[in-house]
Formats: sequence, structure tokens, C-alpha cells
Amino acid sequence: EAGVAQSPRYKIIEKRQSVAFWCNPISGHATLYWYQQILGQGPKLLIQFQNNGVVDDSQLPKDRFSAERLKGVDSTLKIQPAKLEDSAVYLCASGDYEQYFGPGTRLTVT
Amino acid sequence: GENVEQHPSTLSVQEGDSAVIKCTYSDSASNYFPWYKQELGKRPQLIIDIRSNVGEKKDQRIAVTLNKTAKHFSLHITETQPEDSAVYFCAATDSWGKLQFGAGTQVVVTP
Repeated sequence: EAGVAQSPRYKIIEKRQSVAFWCNPISGHATLYWYQQILGQGPKLLIQFQNNGVVDDSQLPKDRFSAERLKGVDSTLKIQPAKLEDSAVYLCASGDYEQYFGPGTRLTVT
Repeated sequence: GENVEQHPSTLSVQEGDSAVIKCTYSDSASNYFPWYKQELGKRPQLIIDIRSNVGEKKDQRIAVTLNKTAKHFSLHITETQPEDSAVYFCAATDSWGKLQFGAGTQVVVTP
């Protein structure tokens, strides 16, 4: 069974630029999550989708972050404009109870 | 919302000894408690989980115990090996089914 796929794996941008991350969940998983993991901390949930609807986005900084899952399968997370404090690993996970993580995208904002 | 506290932040053990990591949670409605292992630069991997209707679960050298009354749960690793060195995260669902993670425990197993 294929795992959660994410791309790109690494991204370096300057502050105020925009960036987008892509995630393809495990086949058949209706629930998809985006997490932010800052170095030395546990993952923090940004947004949770059930199929193509948003279940929870209470911790998503909506002035700069957006996410969509138009067809209920893959998803994109966008940051515009990026700030220095957005430097982190962005993890996608899927699973309707147990959550399985993708490899993450390491974002560095300079 | 849910608050999960994890201790210790670092744990150094001799190979072959046992390691214990403890977590407490605040939301009495929490009903699912997974543990993840994260090696440096890699994704968190689910290693064991427990649901609120079970007090203990074991899988080879790892076990998890849950005390719902005291709202704490623990991870036990026996006969530790160098490949057990990693950061371990506990987590608990809040009343909305959202996972809240602890801050992590860096486990170092020395030969």
C-alpha cells in the first residue's frame, strides 16, 4: 500500500514570497490533515479535511495560509506572503482514526 | 481545548535497560492515544496506540498503559536497542476528534 506523498521535499524562499505544497493521501482515506512542525516541537494541526470539506481550521493563520482539497483526494497548502516564522516542516497526514504522515516539506524562509 | 504534557524532554538509557515516557491530558472526553516515533529528518511513525476502553496494550518490546481516572498514559520500551534512539511524541484526541501532540521526548540509547 502506498503511503502519503508530498512534494516538494525542500523549499527555500525569501520572506514575502509565496509557496505551495502538495499532498496525496493514502488511497481511500477520507480525512486529510496539514500540520506545521517547528524544530524541537510536536506537530501542530493547521487544517483538517473530511473529503473536500473543512472540519477544523481554527489554527490556520487565514490572513496568509490557505488550503484546498477540491476533489476530495489530493490537497494543496499555500502561504502568501511568507514570514520568517513560517520556517518549519509541513506535514500532511491521512487516516480516519490512526493518522499516517507523509515525509513532509521542509520550508526555509530567509 | 486539549492540553497534553509530556515528560521527560530527554531520556538517556543504557542499551538493554527500559525506558518510560509519561503524558498527561486535560480533556476527559479524549478517547484515543497514539504514540509516534520520529527519527531525525524523517516523518513521525505510528508505533502503538490505545483507546479509552483498554487499560494496557503491548506489541513486542513496547507497551502503553492508560489511566483514565488520573488522565495519564505512558509508553514503556523494554530491552532498549540503539535503533530505539529517536524523538517520541504522545498525542490525545480532544472532544472534536483532533489530535493534540505532546512536546516530545528525545530518547538516546547508549551502547
